[in-house]
Amino acid sequence: DQQVKQNSPSLSVQEGRISILNCDYTNSMFDYFLWYKKYPAEGPTFLISISSIKDKNEDGRFTVFLNKSAKHLSLHIVPSQPGDSAVYFCAAKKGSKGAQKLVFGQGTRLTINP
Amino acid sequence: DAGVIQSPRHEVTEMGQEVTLRCKPISGHNSLFWYRQTMMRGLELLIYFNNNVPIDDSGMPEDRFSAKMPNASFSTLKIQPSEPRDSAVYFCASRSLTVANTGELFFGEGSRLTVL
Repeated sequence: DQQVKQNSPSLSVQEGRISILNCDYTNSMFDYFLWYKKYPAEGPTFLISISSIKDKNEDGRFTVFLNKSAKHLSLHIVPSQPGDSAVYFCAAKKGSKGAQKLVFGQGTRLTINP
Repeated sequence: DAGVIQSPRHEVTEMGQEVTLRCKPISGHNSLFWYRQTMMRGLELLIYFNNNVPIDDSGMPEDRFSAKMPNASFSTLKIQPSEPRDSAVYFCASRSLTVANTGELFFGEGSRLTVL
């Protein structure tokens, strides 16, 4: 069962415009949500996170929105830059401090066109 | 500071052979995770350890897979015998249990396994 889903395998956006990546989840017990960015031949790196008690978190060009009633979150990148081209993974955390694990989605490949 | 170190970076082997992947977590981190990346399922958690003790191995696909963490600075993931469907990128990640955080993990660069 895929508890975290990213239904768009790929997304293409023009440089300077807004990129919106979407993620859906099924488990209401998740208490933190994270976005990771992955370049080819590298490991995923942490980008931004949001607690389940919030509905928005912003960090520079990156903003994550959480809609708990819809079990949906999104990552907005504005303005998009060529260096943002990568695979983006949505992840969700459940469990107490000693039993935490991250559940990841399938990833969305973002391509920023000049 | 050194990040999570994985070896080998690439492994090509024939079906039926034993494969051993290695991981050195970030010094001071006491929680270690093994993930597998596939196109269909993204990043799947295989197993994780806290303080060298396996906590959850429900993601290990079959008995052909095994993982050990003999000490705080080393872990192995073994596949025996390997099959073509095991071809994937295997990631190791670590974090500190004693730091209150969002669950953020630090990943290695991965080991790309190809089983012919």
